[in-house]
Amino acid sequence: EVQLVESGGGLVQPGGSLRLSCAASGFTLSSYWMLWVRQAPGKGLLWVSRINYDGSTTTYADSVKGRFTISRDNAENTLYLQMNSLRVEDTAVYYCGRDSWGSVDYWGQGTLVTVSS
Amino acid sequence: QSVLTQPPSVSAAPGQKVTISCSGSSSNIGNNYAFWYQQLPGTAPKLLIYENNKRPSGIPDRFSASKSGTSATLGITGLQTGDEADYYCGTWDSSLSAGVFGTGTKVTVL
Repeated sequence: EVQLVESGGGLVQPGGSLRLSCAASGFTLSSYWMLWVRQAPGKGLLWVSRINYDGSTTTYADSVKGRFTISRDNAENTLYLQMNSLRVEDTAVYYCGRDSWGSVDYWGQGTLVTVSS
Repeated sequence: QSVLTQPPSVSAAPGQKVTISCSGSSSNIGNNYAFWYQQLPGTAPKLLIYENNKRPSGIPDRFSASKSGTSATLGITGLQTGDEADYYCGTWDSSLSAGVFGTGTKVTVL
């Protein structure tokens, strides 16, 4: 059974940093592109970032480019999202997902990031 | 800033049918696979439809989808109270080099 479990969310001040993790099981992580999607409170889904099989290719939404970094450790079956220079508008539930043609076939349960002073 | 447009809400009585449209462009829906997701209140999204019209195992055949040109459509027949949720379409946008989601549609069972 495919499982994705996010962790690392919490309360952080504007300008601060946070690293999210996503533990993958039930499939071979190195065989799939992976991605992050976020959802602000009461809002819709927003695609954040995508990474290829070995981490050599990454893409980002314009709203996070230069501040967020996606990475992966296939040996540890883990996906990461390093978030720097956080802004109030980055407050959201962050979901990791297994990529399917640029969208998602499996979702994690999400982890809440709150950026507030 | 969603590039895929959905109606904000649709509703129908139990047992009836609803359809949800997802309007895009040639850079997204027109040339890439469409996906559909169901998000029950307080939970993570779940895949309903992949590659335009395929259902994952465990998804009942009351859910169906199609794609024509730059639009996709999700249909739900035999509506049940448990179908009350937000529904999103999603795809890749080749011009943006980014994934995109629809604006979301709330389904209400009257």
